[in-house]
Amino acid sequence: GESVGLHLPTLSVQEGDNSIINCAYSNSASDYFIWYKQESGKGPQFIIDIRSNMDKRQGQRVTVLLNKTVKHLSLQIAATQPGDSAVYFCAENSGNQGGKLIFGQGTELSVKP
Amino acid sequence: DAGVIQSPRHEVTEMGQEVTLRCKLISGHNSLFWYRQTMMRGLELLIYFNNNVPIDDSGMPEDRFSAKMPNASFSTLKIQPSEPRDSAVYFCASRFGTTNEKLFFGSGTQLSVL
Repeated sequence: GESVGLHLPTLSVQEGDNSIINCAYSNSASDYFIWYKQESGKGPQFIIDIRSNMDKRQGQRVTVLLNKTVKHLSLQIAATQPGDSAVYFCAENSGNQGGKLIFGQGTELSVKP
Repeated sequence: DAGVIQSPRHEVTEMGQEVTLRCKLISGHNSLFWYRQTMMRGLELLIYFNNNVPIDDSGMPEDRFSAKMPNASFSTLKIQPSEPRDSAVYFCASRFGTTNEKLFFGSGTQLSVL
C-alpha cells in the first residue's frame, strides 16, 4: 500500500532573491522561539531566536518577525544562496512547561542557481 | 568544544534486540533533550531532563523506551525490545539553563530495526 508521510511545505526561490518562511505556533503562553536549519544527514542547526517581548530581531542575512496577536513567526533570508537549501524548523518554548521545546513540521527551501 | 556527541552514528539491529543510544552533553550544559525524527511524524520530543531530573516524558512511545542520565554530562536512550516501527533518526540536544535558551543538537543516530 501507499505510505503516508508528512508533506513538507516547499519554497523554491532563485539565487539572490529574498526568502520568507512562515510558521504558526500553537501556544499563546510560549515566550521564546527559535529557527533551525537542517541539512540532509545532519542535526538541526541554530539560526536565530527571539523572545516574546520583542517583535523583530536581525542576524546576519536573517530576520525573525514575531506577531503574537496571530501567533505567527517568520524567517526572512536576504540574498538567498544555494547553501541555504535545507529544511527550516520553527520551535516554541513554553516557559510554563519547564522549558519544553516543541518543533513545527518544517519547510523545505530550494534555491535555484 | 566538540559539541553534543552521539553514538553510534548508525545502528542496524533485528527486531527484539535491545538498543542503547548514547549522548554526551556539551560541557556546562544542564538540560538534555531526546528527539525522534521520521518522515511520518517529523521531529518529536521524547523526553527532556533539567539538572539530571526527567521533567517531561510524555513523548516516550511506550514502556519499551527508557532514558537515563547517570551523570550530568551523559545520557542513554534504551529500547527493549526494539521493533521495526522504531526505525528513525534519534537526536539528542543540550542547552545551558533550563528554559528560554537555544538547543545544540548532535549529529543523530540512524536506527534501522529489521
